[in-house]
Amino acid sequence: QKEVEQDPGPLSVPEGAIVSLNCTYSNSAFQYFMWYRQYSRKGPELLMYTYSSGNKEDGRFTAQVDKSSKYISLFIRDSQPSDSATYLCAMRGGNTGKLIFGQGTTLQVKP
Amino acid sequence: EAQVTQNPRYLITVTGKKLTVTCSQNMNHEYMSWYRQDPGLGLRQIYYSMNVEVTDKGDVPEGYKVSRKEKRNFPLILESPSPNQTSLYFCASRAGGHNEQFFGPGTRLTVL
Repeated sequence: QKEVEQDPGPLSVPEGAIVSLNCTYSNSAFQYFMWYRQYSRKGPELLMYTYSSGNKEDGRFTAQVDKSSKYISLFIRDSQPSDSATYLCAMRGGNTGKLIFGQGTTLQVKP
Repeated sequence: EAQVTQNPRYLITVTGKKLTVTCSQNMNHEYMSWYRQDPGLGLRQIYYSMNVEVTDKGDVPEGYKVSRKEKRNFPLILESPSPNQTSLYFCASRAGGHNEQFFGPGTRLTVL
């Protein structure tokens, strides 16, 4: 079993839809949870991060962490064609350089 | 401009021919990492370094070597490349106590 599981999609939605992206994990030592966005032929860029459980909102994006269920989510409201990309969840423990990524979900938002 | 640079960007080589992919960052970051990205497998960490002369294995270290003699550089060495190391490689760095990793542009390696 992989430490982090993410549905690879692809996911196709119409413009304006609400998008839900999810990851599950098995390591209870993870404390920092991140979402990266990767456009085609580019390196990933950090979108949001959350420490421990809870919600975090940034514009149209909301990240949720439920440590009791070992489940994290990223919601995108009013999705735009420019949101079309691959979204990768990532997580790590405390003072460590080790970072585990999910497989990535490819999202296409159609105009 | 703050950035992570990698060279070369594209490389085609043959089995067994030693190669080095360079990585350099100009942000004075303590942490640096190497990842490979393969379809359906996402990003997998090869090695990471928490500071000069401090390196540790990630999830897929077999067949790779790294060194961190200076803070800004973190080269990835393939002593005897094999076809299963054909992949897209990313170098990344971050400051200690921060979560944002800055990724380089990637190196596409093909081993024939």
